[in-house]
Amino acid sequence: AQSVTQPDIHITVSEGASLELRCNYSYGATPYLFWYVQSPGQGLQLLLKYFSGDTLVQGIKGFEAEFKRSQSSFNLRKPSVHWSDAAEYFCAVGSYGGATNKLIFGTGTLLAVQP
Amino acid sequence: KAGVTQTPRYLIKTRGQQVTLSCSPISGHRSVSWYQQTPGQGLQFLFEYFSETQRNKGNFPGRFSGRQFSNSRSEMNVSTLELGDSALYLCASRAGPSGANVLTFGAGSRLTVL
Repeated sequence: AQSVTQPDIHITVSEGASLELRCNYSYGATPYLFWYVQSPGQGLQLLLKYFSGDTLVQGIKGFEAEFKRSQSSFNLRKPSVHWSDAAEYFCAVGSYGGATNKLIFGTGTLLAVQP
Repeated sequence: KAGVTQTPRYLIKTRGQQVTLSCSPISGHRSVSWYQQTPGQGLQFLFEYFSETQRNKGNFPGRFSGRQFSNSRSEMNVSTLELGDSALYLCASRAGPSGANVLTFGAGSRLTVL
């Protein structure tokens, strides 16, 4: 069965420090992979996606993620965190289609940014 | 281009009542999905509609239902509300049901059941 694991429930980083949020997935074929961000009281905003091709994908707000098939991982990175990045981050895996066309989300990582 | 619009944003109901939530997708998007978000269960898929037909359904009881209209707007209904139905209900739209079409989410409807 498809699944997504985000091992870090809560992370605190200092403003200006680098960030890496971990995501591991379980899927029988090459998946569609996504990172979404959710600010308090808001819906989900897409940061970036991976479908195929270059395994390093760039997203909005200076985020990037790297798809590593051998490790079944899709970690999110940012070289320098800003206070406005404080939010909850969700990794998701999607199916190609057919009857199971939906997103499976991880449990999320709550990011706090210290001044 | 306007985003996904969900109404109402907040509502309070009591156990046993029913509730209807509305979702207007991005113009031109014909696929609408619904997700439930709770602190305990996280984000869970409810159902997806495309061209007024339910294409996929998550593992929720029959009290949860939905429909889609010819203009692609969608509604979801929860009958006989239980305390555990308190959640943020998120609607998302995309151009079509293919997995390659990215979901765009609305701000959600926050339901509190007392």
